[in-house]
Amino acid sequence: GQSLEQPSEVTAVEGAIVQINCTYQTSGFYGLSWYQQHDGGAPTFLSYNALDGLEETGRFSSFLSRSDSYGYLLLQELQMKDSASYFCAVRDRGEGGSYIPTFGRGTSLIVHP
Amino acid sequence: DTGVSQDPRHKITKRGQNVTFRCDPISEHNRLYWYRQTLGQGPEFLTYFQNEAQLEKSRLLSDRFSAERPKGSFSTLEIQRTEQGDSAMYLCASSFRAGTGQETQYFGPGTRLLVL
Repeated sequence: GQSLEQPSEVTAVEGAIVQINCTYQTSGFYGLSWYQQHDGGAPTFLSYNALDGLEETGRFSSFLSRSDSYGYLLLQELQMKDSASYFCAVRDRGEGGSYIPTFGRGTSLIVHP
Repeated sequence: DTGVSQDPRHKITKRGQNVTFRCDPISEHNRLYWYRQTLGQGPEFLTYFQNEAQLEKSRLLSDRFSAERPKGSFSTLEIQRTEQGDSAMYLCASSFRAGTGQETQYFGPGTRLLVL
């Protein structure tokens, strides 16, 4: 089976740095992904970690520690437009033998002026 | 627009009716996924196709749900005898799996279903 845990809500002010944590339990592991979803919109891909360490893409970075079954998304120089839900996702083995995506319940990020 | 498209964007139906949703993936993508999302939750996997083959179905997918992807292009998701609990956003995503194992999913705008 699989489960992902992430905080339900995080608040921060413009210009600040915020970290959204994700812990996971899977019967196998095939990488950790992060997606952003604005209200009423579709999820959009942010980053992917297959190996331990930090991946940086502009203001966003994502970290993975496979030994701790833990990762985080780091958002720097926060802007109002970053207010959205952020989902971590892993792949776990389905009943048919394929690795299927499993999403966390999401973290609602609220950025204040 | 070369992204993933879904039709219709909104559907209101009465309990017991059948509904069908369509998804057109990005043309060069060989994988297509269907998800269901309710308020305050992440997308829940329903089923996926690699080309025209349906490789995995979630236990969430009852016998009332069926999905097809003829010719490995667009896909349809049909819900028969809809129930109020089927009310949700139905998301489609497509992807291409690279040799490195990385697979980025591109989501469509979703079909919001309301069952009265």
